[in-house]
Amino acid sequence: DSGVTQTPKHLITATGQRVTLRCSPRSGDLSVYWYQQSLDQGLQFLIQYYNGEERAKGNILERFSAQQFPDLHSELNLSSLELGDSALYFCASSSGKLHGYTFGSGTRLTVV
Amino acid sequence: AQSVAQPEDQVNVAEGNPLTVKCTYSVSGNPYLFWYVQYPNRGLQFLLKYITGDNLVKGSYGFEAEFNKSQTSFHLKKPSALVSDSALYFCAVPDISGGSYIPTFGRGTSLIVHP
Repeated sequence: DSGVTQTPKHLITATGQRVTLRCSPRSGDLSVYWYQQSLDQGLQFLIQYYNGEERAKGNILERFSAQQFPDLHSELNLSSLELGDSALYFCASSSGKLHGYTFGSGTRLTVV
Repeated sequence: AQSVAQPEDQVNVAEGNPLTVKCTYSVSGNPYLFWYVQYPNRGLQFLLKYITGDNLVKGSYGFEAEFNKSQTSFHLKKPSALVSDSALYFCAVPDISGGSYIPTFGRGTSLIVHP
């Protein structure tokens, strides 16, 4: 157990639908990062939150959004889903800028 | 912009033999470099990092990495491979110049250790 908890582990949904992925960071970590991993694109950074505020944005689509709550857990919302959104979505947390990231086990999203 | 390249999609090695997984980098300024490992159906796990100091960095599970400034490389090594080392390995470099420190990951190298 890495200390970063992601739910659900698997998600199958239809095109056009909306889903919410949840992440609880490791205890004490204020930063949460979301990544998308696919075979063709590799590991792509989506967005970072630090203590409830958005800190950095990567290749995140407008159909996707995220937030971090006062208890530091984070949610990634994916809407108007397309087949190409099928991927592994990882959450990671960190205790500092040059500290290693701790990743969760990911949510495997399949859009059919 | 910073970037890393992992020139090999796959590395095959026999158990007990030394292994090397290659990574080259391109950064402006001082490089900070990381290695991560991903086992099947798991998230990435931090292995080691180079920030400054000794060019040979030791990390988890017996892995080490050698920073070479003249060759802009940061190869991951292990003296004696185990079958359980079979996994996907990622090199990463944080965005220092942009100030976010968000790491850019390489495409990954699949390490297969044969019994």
